[in-house]
Amino acid sequence: EDQVTQSPEALRLQEGESSSLNCSYTVSGLRGLFWYRQDPGKGPEFLFTLYSAGEEKEKERLKATLTKKESFLHITAPKPEDSATYLCAVHPGDDKIIFGKGTRLHILP
Amino acid sequence: DVKVTQSSRYLVKRTGEKVFLECVQDMDHENMFWYRQDPGLGLRLIYFSYDVKMKEKGDIPEGYSVSREKKERFSLILESASTNQTSMYLCASRTGGNYGYTFGSGTRLTVV
Repeated sequence: EDQVTQSPEALRLQEGESSSLNCSYTVSGLRGLFWYRQDPGKGPEFLFTLYSAGEEKEKERLKATLTKKESFLHITAPKPEDSATYLCAVHPGDDKIIFGKGTRLHILP
Repeated sequence: DVKVTQSSRYLVKRTGEKVFLECVQDMDHENMFWYRQDPGLGLRLIYFSYDVKMKEKGDIPEGYSVSREKKERFSLILESASTNQTSMYLCASRTGGNYGYTFGSGTRLTVV
């Protein structure tokens, strides 16, 4: 069965304290892995798509990486405005996308 | 940019009411989806559609139906609202290929 597991469920960091969020997946065939950011009460906002192992994408303080079994979202020197829930999702080959339950990130000033 | 617009941000309905949630996308995407999102349960797929007048059940279709009469519009219908349908409802669309979803801003539905 296709599965996506995100860890940790919640993470509290001090402003400037870098860390990584993990997304491990088990799918029959990966056509794409996606990262989204979701603010409270709003819909998820697209961040990155990764297609193959070894690929990396960057946007401001965020960098996403992909291996054959997991993806990491690295956050460098985070700021309070980076506080959000980060969702990982995989596209296994049909037209549905499977989501993890997310990591709630809280950056303390 | 692709826009997915959900007609209401907040709704309060009474138990037993028929509820319509509307979603419109403006980029000619073939695929549209309805999810509900609950704390601790993540995103759960209710229904999706690959094309006009086509619909497929997702993981939790019970108590819901959908309508897709035009390519840009995908409606979620709660036939007889119940309190356990209180949730955040998210509409999404995508084109074919290896592309992710674009989400709407969500509808927070409370059934009392």
